[in-house]
Amino acid sequence: SQQGEEDPQALSIQEGENATMNCSYKTSINNLQWYRQNSGRGLVHLILIRSNEREKHSGRLRVTLDTSKKSSSLLITASRAADTASYFCATYSMNTGFQKLVFGTGTRLLVSP
Amino acid sequence: DARVTQTPRDKVTEMGQEVTMRCQPILGHNTVFWYRQTMMQGLELLAYFRNRAPLDDSGMPKDRFSAEMPDATLATLKIQPSEPRDSAVYFCASGFLLAGGTGELFFGEGSRLTVL
Repeated sequence: SQQGEEDPQALSIQEGENATMNCSYKTSINNLQWYRQNSGRGLVHLILIRSNEREKHSGRLRVTLDTSKKSSSLLITASRAADTASYFCATYSMNTGFQKLVFGTGTRLLVSP
Repeated sequence: DARVTQTPRDKVTEMGQEVTMRCQPILGHNTVFWYRQTMMQGLELLAYFRNRAPLDDSGMPKDRFSAEMPDATLATLKIQPSEPRDSAVYFCASGFLLAGGTGELFFGEGSRLTVL
């Protein structure tokens, strides 16, 4: 079963716009990760935010974490056509002893030139 | 440039046949995961190993799936007999994970299985 649910399921924007994806999870976590998957490829790790952090930046990526609401958001600023991909959040959930990395349902992002 | 290598990339087989997928994790990583990805179910965790020992395979159909790690350079996922519902992309991922669940995973490119 999935630990996280992403919202929206699909997002279509123009180059230069910002893209925001949300993730909600169910159990206590110690960190949350975001991954990207290009069509037909494996997942690639983007960023990790720890449970005691509220915000983290990496290049054009900004991640926030609200543990009280069990939610996270990924913001991609000034999007490019090359950002077109699926984005997944992932957590090591407490109910598995923080052993298993479980992925959300993903958001498909389409950035048009 | 270290990477996780999976073979085969594509496999088409007939129902009832045995399928073996192989994975070479990144040297030095202590954890290997097997995931299955379908449109309907998304990414499902099938099994994982820590220091080559199987920790959990509760995500796998036990009667037909088996996962092993005969040595540090090879992880295998076997399906016998295969069924059309096994059609999916199977991913292997490895990472150096610390206790308490910290660490990123590095994914292979996947093995796309089609069972006719």
